[in-house]
Amino acid sequence: KQEVTQIPAALSVPEGENLVLNCSFTDSAIYNLQWFRQDPGKGLTSLLLIQSSQREQTSGRLNASLDKSSGRSTLYIAASQPGDSATYLCALMDSSYKLIFGSGTRLLVRP
Amino acid sequence: DVKVTQSSRYLVKRTGEKVFLECVQDMDHENMFWYRQDPGLGLRLIYFSYDVKMKEKGDIPEGYSVSREKKERFSLILESASTNQTSMYLCASSFLTEGREPFFGQGTRLTVV
Repeated sequence: KQEVTQIPAALSVPEGENLVLNCSFTDSAIYNLQWFRQDPGKGLTSLLLIQSSQREQTSGRLNASLDKSSGRSTLYIAASQPGDSATYLCALMDSSYKLIFGSGTRLLVRP
Repeated sequence: DVKVTQSSRYLVKRTGEKVFLECVQDMDHENMFWYRQDPGLGLRLIYFSYDVKMKEKGDIPEGYSVSREKKERFSLILESASTNQTSMYLCASSFLTEGREPFFGQGTRLTVV
């Protein structure tokens, strides 16, 4: 059974720091992996989608990488800002087209 | 723009009531999903469907059923609502094709009293 784990569960950093959020999975047979942001009480906002054949995707200050062989993805946030404070979720689509989520990392960027 | 619409943003129901949560998508997606989200537990898959009248159990199907009579609509049914089903419910849809991005509704916050 595919399991998705996110470490750390919570992270507090001062503004301006570069940071890395981790996502690991147990079965490398995936179709894609996606990073989402969720603000308190709100829905999901898609940040980056990495296809199974890709190694990374970039959008602005965000860079996501995917290493299927090791079962890992990382989300790198450069020059963090207080507005980046949110919960970050990774989700993958497995070989049966099921979408499976990690439990998220709560990020707080302190001014 | 892809749109996934959930019928209610907030809902309050009484214990024992039969509750219907509706989700409609307008992009001809084959796949549709229902999740619940609880603090510290992330999003857990309740049911998903890859075609009309087809359904597959997710990780926590107990106490729920689903209906997919039309491709664009996926309904989640709480047969007899209980207080432990108080949660945020999220619907999603996607193409049944490798690498295609899923899209989410805004969620329904259900409170069972």
